[in-house]
Amino acid sequence: DAMVIQNPRYQVTQFGKPVTLSCSQTLNHNVMYWYQQKSSQAPKLLFHYYDKDFNNEADTPDNFQSRRPNTSFCFLDIRSPGLGDAAMYLCATSRVFPGGNQPQHFGDGTRLSIL
Amino acid sequence: QQQVKQSPQSLIVQKGGISIINCAYENTAFDYFPWYQQFPGKGPALLIAIRPDVSEKKEGRFTISFNKSAKQFSLHIMDSQPGDSATYFCAASIRGATNKLIFGTGTLLAVQP
Repeated sequence: DAMVIQNPRYQVTQFGKPVTLSCSQTLNHNVMYWYQQKSSQAPKLLFHYYDKDFNNEADTPDNFQSRRPNTSFCFLDIRSPGLGDAAMYLCATSRVFPGGNQPQHFGDGTRLSIL
Repeated sequence: QQQVKQSPQSLIVQKGGISIINCAYENTAFDYFPWYQQFPGKGPALLIAIRPDVSEKKEGRFTISFNKSAKQFSLHIMDSQPGDSATYFCAASIRGATNKLIFGTGTLLAVQP
């Protein structure tokens, strides 16, 4: 089945130690998104790629970076994780069509814990 | 103006009852309104979606009612089942904005057997 796959499902890192989360997709969608979701809250968009064009949200901390080496893969880098960065990180994909907006398809997330 | 307001925050319904979740928006540039269902430890999954040129869309037990003039839309879950217990998010997407979603705050639904 075509899908959005996030690895690992659970990640534990130390305070201040860089961490990378990965996302891959078999949907061949041209847009990939990264969200942060904290308990009992809605997903919060961090940034997205439209093909190779990177779009950062205004309130995304500089501590968060992303890379998209090809259509299928996208990475979230947290350069110096703080305790407040403990959350579920969700990757999503979508296809942009001229005819109208399309749904986003989400992976099952990576649960990040900070020690 | 970019917000989507969702209510209630939580909802308890008896098995077989109707669950109703409401959302409201201000931005008339929104032209796509999906609902997502999220189970604990899982990512949100698209449940049903509507565009503003129709007033209602039904898929199985799930119906979206859309009132363009009032800028409101709602999700109705008929014959609610314990397996429907999850968090539901409404969302809105702005025309021509790479399908970027504005989420509501979520509703935690518990269906009691």
